Amino acid sequence: QVQLVQSGAEVKKPGASVKVSCKASGYTFTRNNIHWVRQAPGQGVEWMGIISPGGGWASHAQKLQGRVSMTRDTTTTTVYMELTSLRSEDTAVYYCARDDTNWAFDIWGQGTMVTVSS
Amino acid sequence: QSALTQPPSVSGSPGQSVTISCTGTSSDIGSYNHVSWYQQPPGTAPKLMIYEVNNRPSGVPDRFSGSKSGNTASLTISGLQAEDEADYYCSSYTSSATWVFGGGTKLTVL
Repeated sequence: QVQLVQSGAEVKKPGASVKVSCKASGYTFTRNNIHWVRQAPGQGVEWMGIISPGGGWASHAQKLQGRVSMTRDTTTTTVYMELTSLRSEDTAVYYCARDDTNWAFDIWGQGTMVTVSS
Repeated sequence: QSALTQPPSVSGSPGQSVTISCTGTSSDIGSYNHVSWYQQPPGTAPKLMIYEVNNRPSGVPDRFSGSKSGNTASLTISGLQAEDEADYYCSSYTSSATWVFGGGTKLTVL
């Protein structure tokens, strides 16, 4: 079945970096873009960015400018999101989600909890 | 890009109908039909319920429907059931080639 499986929880210190992976299976990896979305504890969801597994291009929310990068590995059908210069406000559950080609997110990963604490 | 505006909470009794609004601007909801809705029970990932304003993915009950007028989109749930209790989020594509979510609405089934 179509699924996205993410890497496990992380605990990082302020100023460090974190890299979260999202492995896709059950469909043609290069056909659908992948989004990254995060949700701080008790808060709403926030769009972070998008990557095209087929073309390799990526785009992200302006507020994350200079701190986020999204990459993909077509041989392992995995996309990655790296966030640098972590601060406490980055503590959140990070989700990858497949773009259904109708500008919506139809398949979601299980989420990865990233905790930033000294 | 500011978040879309949703009411923090709505409630209804089983069998009733509720509507959740989602207000944006002429740069997002007002310019595109790329509006989607998500249901998120506690501790789970969001689930797509509506895409392109008023389309349901396979498996979503027809009790869920969407609409749009101007800069405001709406999700209506008819014949409320206890299992509908969850947080609901709207999302829209924007003229900046980004996506934006609403702040979320907690639905309580009384």
